[in-house]
Amino acid sequence: KAGVTQTPRYLIKTRGQQVTLSCSPISGHRSVSWYQQTPGQGLQFLFEYFSETQRNKGNFPGRFSGRQFSNSRSEMNVSTLELGDSALYLCASSLDGGGAGTGELFFGEGSRLTVL
Amino acid sequence: GDSVTQMEGPVTLSEEAFLTINCTYTATGYPSLFWYVQYPGEGLQLLLKATKADDKGSNKGFEATYRKETTSFHLEKGSVQVSDSAVYFCALWTFEGASKIIFGSGTRLSIRP
Repeated sequence: KAGVTQTPRYLIKTRGQQVTLSCSPISGHRSVSWYQQTPGQGLQFLFEYFSETQRNKGNFPGRFSGRQFSNSRSEMNVSTLELGDSALYLCASSLDGGGAGTGELFFGEGSRLTVL
Repeated sequence: GDSVTQMEGPVTLSEEAFLTINCTYTATGYPSLFWYVQYPGEGLQLLLKATKADDKGSNKGFEATYRKETTSFHLEKGSVQVSDSAVYFCALWTFEGASKIIFGSGTRLSIRP
């Protein structure tokens, strides 16, 4: 069974640009969550989508947005990039994000964004 | 609100040493508890879990027991290997109100040969 796939794996952008990251969950998983990981702040929750609806949201500015498609694939977008947005962005899928499942998340390998 | 606190790293041990990484939590209700591991260059993967008080999760020689009385879920391994070098995250899943998973800050473990 294929795992969680994130693309691109690495990307470099400059300040002010925008970026879109993609995540394909495990087949049958309806929940997709996004996390930002940095050495200073650790693992921070961005948002969770379930059946195309944002179900939970972390404490990030509106420059960070996401969406989920009918096939459960998800994208996240960061507009007007800042140097501090440099991070590893991790996507995780689960059967039901914990609502009625086991709470187990399956992570992709991440998209490493560098903002210059 | 709900939270997870784990010991700060980095933790450096010699091969075959005993490992303990402390984790305590604050939560309403009865959360499920997890340990995730992140090897270099990879995403996180579930190491073990426990869903109710006194449950013991175990995998790959690692163990953790859900202690409700001390609100703890400490990770232990009797004899670590170089291949255990990674970052370890304690997490809880709560479904009081909106379900959510909360991660600790992570503990980096380095094992010397």
